[in-house]
Amino acid sequence: AQKVTQAQTEISVVEKEDVTLDCVYETRDTTYYLFWYKQPPSGELVFLIRRNSFDEQNEISGRYSWNFQKSTSSFNFTITASQVVDSAVYFCALSEAYAGGTSYGKLTFGQGTILTVHP
Amino acid sequence: GAGVSQSPRYKVAKRGQDVALRCDPISGHVSLFWYQQALGQGPEFLTYFQNEAQLDKSGLPSDRFFAERPEGSVSTLKIQRTQQEDSAVYLCASSKQYSGANVLTFGAGSRLTVL
Repeated sequence: AQKVTQAQTEISVVEKEDVTLDCVYETRDTTYYLFWYKQPPSGELVFLIRRNSFDEQNEISGRYSWNFQKSTSSFNFTITASQVVDSAVYFCALSEAYAGGTSYGKLTFGQGTILTVHP
Repeated sequence: GAGVSQSPRYKVAKRGQDVALRCDPISGHVSLFWYQQALGQGPEFLTYFQNEAQLDKSGLPSDRFFAERPEGSVSTLKIQRTQQEDSAVYLCASSKQYSGANVLTFGAGSRLTVL
């Protein structure tokens, strides 16, 4: 069975600080995808980033960057120079590429990390 | 429409009542998912449709939960004889295709409170 663990329940930072959200996953699949979604107070989950299991290259996109390490099953997400608008709940999720022979993108989510950015 | 639309946004039901939650996915999206999100938790998978076919209902917690998507567009999640433990936000998501790489577009959810 798949599992996603976000050990940090809540993080509080002051604006302009960098913040890293941790994510550890478990899967028996050799092919899978990892995601980060953001859930602001409005309730809609908003897609942030996606990484497939074959690509461990870490990237930066604007103020967002991620560190994918297959050896430790971790997919950490960093926000640089945080802003008040970054305050939200952040979810790490794992998608199995094959489930009984069917691939359709079913996600297993972590418990979420509440990020509060103070002015 | 431009996004995934869910209605009602808020529903209060007395224990034992039946409720129906509607999801209007993005036009042309083949895949549709329902998730249940309890307070302070991550979303948990309930069921999946590919067009009108319900291919996976492994996450439905009991036979009181039923979902349909008869014409491959709008979907309805029905909960019969609601219980207090059914209180949660029910999220609908859709995507253009069906693969593990899918990026899902989520609706704002329907918050169900069972008294």
